Amino acid sequence: GNSVTQMEGPVTLSEEAFLTINCTYTATGYPSLFWYVQYPGEGLQLLLKATKADDKGSNKGFEATYRKETTSFHLEKGSVQVSDSAVYFCALLEGGGTSYGKLTFGQGTILTVHP
Amino acid sequence: GAVVSQHPSRVICKSGTSVKIECRSLDFQATTMFWYRQFPKQSLMLMATSNEGSKATYEQGVEKDKFLINHASLTLSTLTVTSAHPEDSSFYICSADRPPLNYGYTFGSGTRLTVV
Repeated sequence: GNSVTQMEGPVTLSEEAFLTINCTYTATGYPSLFWYVQYPGEGLQLLLKATKADDKGSNKGFEATYRKETTSFHLEKGSVQVSDSAVYFCALLEGGGTSYGKLTFGQGTILTVHP
Repeated sequence: GAVVSQHPSRVICKSGTSVKIECRSLDFQATTMFWYRQFPKQSLMLMATSNEGSKATYEQGVEKDKFLINHASLTLSTLTVTSAHPEDSSFYICSADRPPLNYGYTFGSGTRLTVV
């Protein structure tokens, strides 16, 4: 079956530091990949996505590249801000088969950015 | 665009009562909606897939009779927690599909249920 593995947190950084949150996946087909962000007490917001190999998703300074050869979709940001403190979820969406339409989430990584 | 409204955001109920949570797609039609449960500091667990006009499909281990799902229209799905108990206390989140499929889903803001 499909699975998503994220680096364990929590991750604590100082403002303007470089961020990497690792994400690897296992899928039977050709999934689309996503990063979602969840702020305290809220639902999930789509941060960025990539639908095929070598695609790069980007938004608000965050980037992630769909690497089929390493089955990875690592999230990066060059300079984090305090407002980036949240929980980040990597997810995959299977485009076919029995898991069609279902999002599979990683376990989430808590990011805390200090001034 | 692509807004999903979830209501209520917080609810406290007594043990044994039922609670209804609504999920509405405000500016698009959603043939499929999903219901998740999230425990503190954990990931989202898919509970069920709700299809407009048909019965919901529940994930293994989720009690159909406890978590009643109704998807009566293309813009509304409801989750009713029946005979709630303290162990049902959790954060419930809905999401709706917005074509094309690989767009990813739009999530509601979640409902914090506390059963006392």
